[in-house]
Amino acid sequence: QVQLQQWGAGLLQPSETLSLTCAVYGGSFSGYYWSWIRQSPGKGLEWIAEINHSGSTNYNPSLKSRVTISVGTSKNEFSLNLTSVTAADTAVYYCARVSRFPIIVVNYWGQGTLVTVSS
Amino acid sequence: DIQMTQSPSSLSASVGDRVTITCRASQSISSYLNWYQQKPGKAPKLLIYAASSLHSGVPSRFSGSGSGTDYTLTISSLQPEDFATYYCQQSYGTITFGQGTKLEIK
Repeated sequence: QVQLQQWGAGLLQPSETLSLTCAVYGGSFSGYYWSWIRQSPGKGLEWIAEINHSGSTNYNPSLKSRVTISVGTSKNEFSLNLTSVTAADTAVYYCARVSRFPIIVVNYWGQGTLVTVSS
Repeated sequence: DIQMTQSPSSLSASVGDRVTITCRASQSISSYLNWYQQKPGKAPKLLIYAASSLHSGVPSRFSGSGSGTDYTLTISSLQPEDFATYYCQQSYGTITFGQGTKLEIK
C-alpha cells in the first residue's frame, strides 16, 4: 500500500521560504511523477509542480519563478521550496503521486500540511 | 490556463436521490477529465478518470460522462457517506481543478 508522509514548517513570516518534504512508503518511486498541490479557501485546489525519479520537472507557470521541486538523496523523498511567501500562499499543501496512464490522475495523497503566512 | 467551472456550487439532496454535477472546461479537453471526492479534513480521493472510467474500489453508483468541454458526475442513489465536496480536474493542459460542488444533506 502506497503511503505519503509529509512534514515542514507550518507558520512562516512574509518573505520567508516555505519548505516541505514528502516521504513515499510502499510501491515504486520510479515510474511515477510526484507532485505538490495546495488548497486554499480563496483559490481552491492548485497544482504547483511535479518531478519524476530522474529529476524531470514540470511547474505551474503562475508559480514557476518562486518554486523548486527536487528529489531527495534517499530517492524515496521529494521536496518543495517556495520563496518569498505572502499571505496569498497560506494553504493546505499536499504531496501526491501522479499516474500518467491512461491520463494524468492523482491517485495517492499525503495527509496535508497547513501552512500559514502571517507577521 | 484551462478554466474549469462546476455547477452547482452547492447542492442539497436526500439519501436515495439521483444527483448530477456538471463541469465545463474553457476549451475542449478531449476527456482528460477526472473527478475527486473530498471530505472535511481529508485529502481528495479519485473517483472517476478519463471522464467515464471508475477508479478501483469506487462504488458503481458513481458514474461519469461527457466529451469536448462538458462533463458530468452522477451518483445514482445517494448514500450517507456520499455527502462531501466533489471536484473535477483536467489534465489536457497544465493541471487545473474546478472550484468544487458541496453536496449537503437536505
